[in-house]
Amino acid sequence: QKEVEQDPGPLSVPEGAIVSLNCTYSNSAFQYFMWYRQYSRKGPELLMYTYSSGNKEDGRFTAQVDKSSKYISLFIRDSQPSDSATYLCATFTGGGNKLTFGTGTQLKVEL
Amino acid sequence: EAGVAQSPRYKIIEKRQSVAFWCNPISGHATLYWYQQILGQGPKLLIQFQNNGVVDDSQLPKDRFSAERLKGVDSTLKIQPAKLEDSAVYLCASSLLGGSNEQFFGPGTRLTVL
Repeated sequence: QKEVEQDPGPLSVPEGAIVSLNCTYSNSAFQYFMWYRQYSRKGPELLMYTYSSGNKEDGRFTAQVDKSSKYISLFIRDSQPSDSATYLCATFTGGGNKLTFGTGTQLKVEL
Repeated sequence: EAGVAQSPRYKIIEKRQSVAFWCNPISGHATLYWYQQILGQGPKLLIQFQNNGVVDDSQLPKDRFSAERLKGVDSTLKIQPAKLEDSAVYLCASSLLGGSNEQFFGPGTRLTVL
């Protein structure tokens, strides 16, 4: 079993739709949860991070963590074509331990 | 602020040849990471440096991969000899502190082994 599981997609939605991206993880020691966005032929860029359970909102993006079910979500409201990218969830335990990524979900927002 | 620089951007080699990648992290970032991203997968950490010392190289295939960061700034990753399964994007990232949750990634080097 992989430490972080993520549906690879691809996911195609119309412009303006609400997008839900999800990951599950197996290691209960994970404390920090990140979402990275990766455009084609670019390196990943940090989009949002949360510590432990709860929600965090930043503009059109909301990150949600449920540690009881080991479930991580990213919601994108009013999706735009510029949101078309691969979204990677990632976790680590803190204190210098390595970052563990999911496989990434490819999102396409169509006009 | 300049980002993480990597070169070359693309490289095509035959199997059993050797190849080297270069990374220049963001100025002042003490921690440098090399990741391997195979098509359709998330990045996998190969090696982490804190200044010029190795913090974690547990997933580096040491029979063929080597990396160094001699002066605590630039780093090189070498593969010798390359195998077909080494075809991937090699990403370099840096962070201000070890264990920081904010790692800044370079554009990567796309390696194709024929």
